[in-house]
Amino acid sequence: KAGVTQTPRYLIKTRGQQVTLSCSPISGHRSVSWYQQTPGQGLQFLFEYFSETQRNKGNFPGRFSGRQFSNSRSEMNVSTLELGDSALYLCASSSRTGSYNEQFFGPGTRLTVL
Amino acid sequence: AQSVTQLGSHVSVSEGALVLLRCNYSSSVPPYLFWYVQYPNQGLQLLLKYTSAATLVKGINGFEAEFKKSETSFHLTKPSAHMSDAAEYFCAVIPMNRDDKIIFGKGTRLHILP
Repeated sequence: KAGVTQTPRYLIKTRGQQVTLSCSPISGHRSVSWYQQTPGQGLQFLFEYFSETQRNKGNFPGRFSGRQFSNSRSEMNVSTLELGDSALYLCASSSRTGSYNEQFFGPGTRLTVL
Repeated sequence: AQSVTQLGSHVSVSEGALVLLRCNYSSSVPPYLFWYVQYPNQGLQLLLKYTSAATLVKGINGFEAEFKKSETSFHLTKPSAHMSDAAEYFCAVIPMNRDDKIIFGKGTRLHILP
């Protein structure tokens, strides 16, 4: 079974731009969660989607949004980028909703904001 | 607020020696607890999780963790370190409330000395 894939792996943007990251879950998994990883704040939960519905959301500003498609693929969008948005963005998939279920992580997208 | 604390951002052990990575949580009610490992340039992988079934939890790659309610701890151990264990380890907690948001510790980077 193929693992979780994230595209692109690396991205460089400038302040004020917007960015869209993509995540393809493991086949059959309907839950996709997004996380932000930075040296200062560590790993922080962004949101979870299950069957195209947002099930949970972390404490991030509205500039961070996401969606999930009928094939369970998910996208995350960040608008009006700030320098502090530079981070590794990780996506994880699971067969069921809820963080207590085992999640399978992708390799991440490293976003650099200049 | 619920939190999880990992003592030591870096831990070095000799190959063959005991590995002990410390994790303490703050919660009035025993939560779900997890240990994840992250190898360089990869996403996270679940090592083990505690869900109140047993206080001693065995995970993959020879790791285990013991839940101690009186100490609010969930330390990770492995009897004999291998070079391949060099990675970053994250303790995580899901408080037993309606929130269901996973909270990660800051991580401990494990170095294995030859």
